[in-house]
Amino acid sequence: QQQVKQSPQSLIVQKGGISIINCAYENTAFDYFPWYQQFPGKGPALLIAIRPDVSEKKEGRFTISFNKSAKQFSLHIMDSQPGDSATYFCAATRDKLDAGGTSYGKLTFGQGTILTVHP
Amino acid sequence: DVKVTQSSRYLVKRTGEKVFLECVQDMDHENMFWYRQDPGLGLRLIYFSYDVKMKEKGDIPEGYSVSREKKERFSLILESASTNQTSMYLCASSFWGSNQPQHFGDGTRLSIL
Repeated sequence: QQQVKQSPQSLIVQKGGISIINCAYENTAFDYFPWYQQFPGKGPALLIAIRPDVSEKKEGRFTISFNKSAKQFSLHIMDSQPGDSATYFCAATRDKLDAGGTSYGKLTFGQGTILTVHP
Repeated sequence: DVKVTQSSRYLVKRTGEKVFLECVQDMDHENMFWYRQDPGLGLRLIYFSYDVKMKEKGDIPEGYSVSREKKERFSLILESASTNQTSMYLCASSFWGSNQPQHFGDGTRLSIL
């Protein structure tokens, strides 16, 4: 029940196109959904995040769409650029545990998507 | 700027050896995490710590242990290395709370021969 499933595993897009990466989760207690971006040779870095009380969040060319009833969320990269070529991970976490304790921000990550944007 | 430093970028060890991976952060973060990254499997949490001398098991703790004697330092220990522990290991740190971003080091590529 803790899984987050991410697709596709790899994605090739032409410069200027739209990149779309999808994630689905099972645990309805998840309440925070970040996306991380990882360049080759580097650790992942937070890109954008959303809480389930909104259906969309936009930061520049990056947009998260959230569908609570379907338990799905997706990352859209508009006007994709070669510099966006990286591995993208979706993740999910829950703030509070059933017993009232904290989850300490433990993240459950998706499997990752390798995005290649051709010039 | 937050810096998470992992002691080695590449490490080669032999089966059965005891292996230490070190991680240091400079932002006074309460939480520290160890992940392993394998193609197609994403990042999987091995152990995490929310305070000095405190540790919690993650999703794949078998074959690993950790140590946190100082707030800024979190060590991952492979008690008796095996070939299936060949992987990329990532350390991360964050302030306390679910919506706090995790800051990652650049990873240690560990090969067990």
